[in-house]
Amino acid sequence: DAKTTQPPSMDCAEGRAANLPCNHSTISGNEYVYWYRQIHSQGPQYIIHGLKNNETNEMASLIITEDRKSSTLILPHATLRDTAVYYCIVRPNTGNQFYFGTGTSLTVIP
Amino acid sequence: GAVVSQHPSWVICKSGTSVKIECRSLDFQATTMFWYRQFPKQSLMLMATSNEGSKATYEQGVEKDKFLINHASLTLSTLTVTSAHPEDSSFYICSVPPGLAYNEQFFGPGTRLTVL
Repeated sequence: DAKTTQPPSMDCAEGRAANLPCNHSTISGNEYVYWYRQIHSQGPQYIIHGLKNNETNEMASLIITEDRKSSTLILPHATLRDTAVYYCIVRPNTGNQFYFGTGTSLTVIP
Repeated sequence: GAVVSQHPSWVICKSGTSVKIECRSLDFQATTMFWYRQFPKQSLMLMATSNEGSKATYEQGVEKDKFLINHASLTLSTLTVTSAHPEDSSFYICSVPPGLAYNEQFFGPGTRLTVL
């Protein structure tokens, strides 16, 4: 079962940073936070994941609070192609399936 | 990243017929693959875990006799929707973990099934 809570939708102006929050207050010590996104009628795409430290890659940054009960995905300069549903998922790092929550539908506005 | 393909990308069938969907891992061998279903405007729902050389593991509430899974080889898993009905119309997606670490999963492009 999904263990995350996300706002159902958000808008962001093109070129601005998009900050997508996720609550995972029941996260366990061995569970990682993963972010995926799904553009309409395509398979989900991996974005980033982390355990407790902040992470950054070429797509995004992941900020995890010190108590690990919430996190924020940051798209530093949103483009129209970033319009998608963003899923925050918590799971152990080995051996288990992904259970998707409801996600946040991000719309980047020109 | 790893490439996962699905075939067909879309299919329309009559009620009562069976439909087979293939999921192929093109870059690496996979002893495990996952099957998801997604209804319009809803999230992905995990249906089952496909295991090479053994029976699939189904999530609670998923009918194993309705959704037949065969992990024929280390690069191919098939999902057969038997006696399809309009309520089975959905977007079916497979995913493949690239290795023992299961660090990241790669998802296929999905198959759109429409049952008339």
